[in-house]
Amino acid sequence: QVQLQESGPGLVKPSQTLSLTCTVSGDSISSGSNYWSWIRQPAGKGLEWIGRIYSSGSTNYIPSLRSRVTMSVDTSKNQFSLKLSSVTAADTAVYYCARDALTSSGNWFDPWGQGTLVTVSS
Amino acid sequence: QSVLTQPPSVSGAPGQRVTISCTGSSSNIGAGYNVHWYQQLPGTGPKLLIYTNINRPSGVPDRFSGSKSGTSASLAITGLQADDEADYYCQSYDSSLSVWVFGGGTKLTVL
Repeated sequence: QVQLQESGPGLVKPSQTLSLTCTVSGDSISSGSNYWSWIRQPAGKGLEWIGRIYSSGSTNYIPSLRSRVTMSVDTSKNQFSLKLSSVTAADTAVYYCARDALTSSGNWFDPWGQGTLVTVSS
Repeated sequence: QSVLTQPPSVSGAPGQRVTISCTGSSSNIGAGYNVHWYQQLPGTGPKLLIYTNINRPSGVPDRFSGSKSGTSASLAITGLQADDEADYYCQSYDSSLSVWVFGGGTKLTVL
């Protein structure tokens, strides 16, 4: 059974960089069968796709965050990571990592990690 | 404001049937992009419920079904149970924004 687990600091100061890692078990990032995505959810609000990365390191980011987002992959550790720079209070959210199905029928997210709350505050 | 529009809340008594709509536009659902549905129980990450409009992953009861027509999609839940109480989200792709988009979510209350 595939499982994803987010990890990283729960508190980040304004203007600093948010850094999270997702560890995958039960599947191999390097298999090339899927993309791997980050999605966030501010408290009481809906879901926002942030971006995704492929095993080769190829990325796609949401345009509104493109200037601040960097994703990377470490296939030796079966992990992928998210960095979001110059954070503000608006970046406070639960951050999820998810496997992004790569199919001709479209992309869906399954499974998801349990999520990690990141609060931006001084 | 979400690109895909869902009703904020729906409710039904145990055993009843409810539907949740997901309305998009000509750049997402209407353009032929498939719709997927997720269930989010309180305090947990979303779980895939329906993929590619009508398909259920293994383990999802057949009480859950999806449909798509034109610029909209729907999730139907029959035989409502107390543990169906959750938030439900639709998801598709938007070609004008070049991103994967979600609906704003619908909170299902079982009366």
